[in-house]
Amino acid sequence: ETGVTQSPTHLIKTRGQQVTLRCSSQSGHNTVSWYQQALGQGPQFIFQYYREEENGRGNFPPRFSGLQFPNYSSELNVNALELDDSALYLCASSPDREGTVETQYFGPGTRLLVL
Amino acid sequence: AQSVTQLGSHVSVSEGALVLLRCNYSSSVPPYLFWYVQYPNQGLQLLLKYTSAATLVKGINGFEAEFKKSETSFHLTKPSAHMSDAAEYFCAVNSMDSNYQLIWGAGTKLIIKP
Repeated sequence: ETGVTQSPTHLIKTRGQQVTLRCSSQSGHNTVSWYQQALGQGPQFIFQYYREEENGRGNFPPRFSGLQFPNYSSELNVNALELDDSALYLCASSPDREGTVETQYFGPGTRLLVL
Repeated sequence: AQSVTQLGSHVSVSEGALVLLRCNYSSSVPPYLFWYVQYPNQGLQLLLKYTSAATLVKGINGFEAEFKKSETSFHLTKPSAHMSDAAEYFCAVNSMDSNYQLIWGAGTKLIIKP
C-alpha cells in the first residue's frame, strides 16, 4: 500500500472525447509524475509536476495536459482521444524534487479504453 | 538514445527453482537502475535500486540484482521461487536528460509452476 490513489479505476470513452483522470498523492509529496502503460509494454513518461508547475515532459502531444493542486491531488487531462490512447495510466508521487527517481510511489492506475 | 532491454517477455520456473530475469541497458554515463514489480490490477512497487554504491543490491521479497558495467547488465535473481512471485517485472534506468524520468523495459511476466 503506497498511499497513492487513482480514480476512476476503469473508464470507457469514444474517439474525440475528452477525459480527466485523478490522482491523490501522499501528504507531503510535492512531486507527481504521470505515465502511460500500453498493453504489453513498459510505462512511458508523460510529464511531472512539482509544486503545481510542470517541470518535465516526455514525448507526448499538447493534448495531454495536467494540473497539480495544493492538497496533493492532481489531474491528467487528455483531449481529442484517439484509439491509441487506450492504456493504463499511472501516477507516481515523490516526497522531494531531487532524487525523485529513487522515491516514486505508484498508484494502482486507471485503465482507459477508447472505442 | 537510452534503452532498456528485458530478454524474454515470459519466464516460467518451477516453485523452489532459481529465478533469473535479464535486463540490459544502454547508457553512456553511470546509471541509476531499478527493478519494479507489478501484480495484477496493482501499481508498480519498487523491488530494488542501484545507485552507484555496492554492485550487488538486495531488495524486498528475497530478490537481488547485480550491476555489471562491463556487460551493461542488471539481472534480477531469487534463489527459490514462490507462488506469490508470479507477477510482471520491469527494469528501468534513469534518463540522462533528467533525473526524474525513467526509461523502462517492456517487462517480463514471471510464471511459477507448482
